[in-house]
Amino acid sequence: EAGVVQSPRYKIIEKKQPVAFWCNPISGHNTLYWYLQNLGQGPELLIRYENEEAVDDSQLPKDRFSAERLKGVDSTLKIQPAELGDSAVYLCASSPPGVAPFFGPGTRLTVL
Amino acid sequence: AQSVTQPDIHITVSEGASLELRCNYSYGATPYLFWYVQSPGQGLQLLLKYFSGDTLVQGIKGFEAEFKRSQSSFNLRKPSVHWSDAAEYFCAVAPSGSARQLTFGSGTQLTVLP
Repeated sequence: EAGVVQSPRYKIIEKKQPVAFWCNPISGHNTLYWYLQNLGQGPELLIRYENEEAVDDSQLPKDRFSAERLKGVDSTLKIQPAELGDSAVYLCASSPPGVAPFFGPGTRLTVL
Repeated sequence: AQSVTQPDIHITVSEGASLELRCNYSYGATPYLFWYVQSPGQGLQLLLKYFSGDTLVQGIKGFEAEFKRSQSSFNLRKPSVHWSDAAEYFCAVAPSGSARQLTFGSGTQLTVLP
């Protein structure tokens, strides 16, 4: 069974540029998560989807971050414009109901 | 609000030695508890979880953890560490009944000496 797929794996951009990350969850997993992981820290939830609906986006900085999960499968997380402090690893995860998340390998973002 | 503390930022052990990683949580009721492992450049992999019942839980890769309610702890153990266990380990807590609402600790980096 394929795991959570994320792309790109690495991204380097200059500040004020836009950037987008893509995630394909494990087949059949209704719940999709985006986490932010700063260096030396544990993951912090940005947004959680149940199918197409964002049910927990309280930690998503909505002035510059946006996310979508069309058709309840793939998801895209966007930052516009990026700031230096956005340099981090962005993790996507998915799970079936009542089960802890399965994580993808993450996208490492560097903002110069 | 729930929180998790991993007091040890970095631990070094020799290959073959025993290992214990500490995790303390703060939560009003008995939560769900988890340990994940993250190897360099990889996502997090679930090692084990505690929902209820037997307080000693077995996981993958020879790891086990013990839930101690009186100490609000969920320490991870392994009797004999292998070089491939070198990684970062994260403890996480979630409200009972909702494994999807995880709060992670800041992690413990494990170095294994030959």
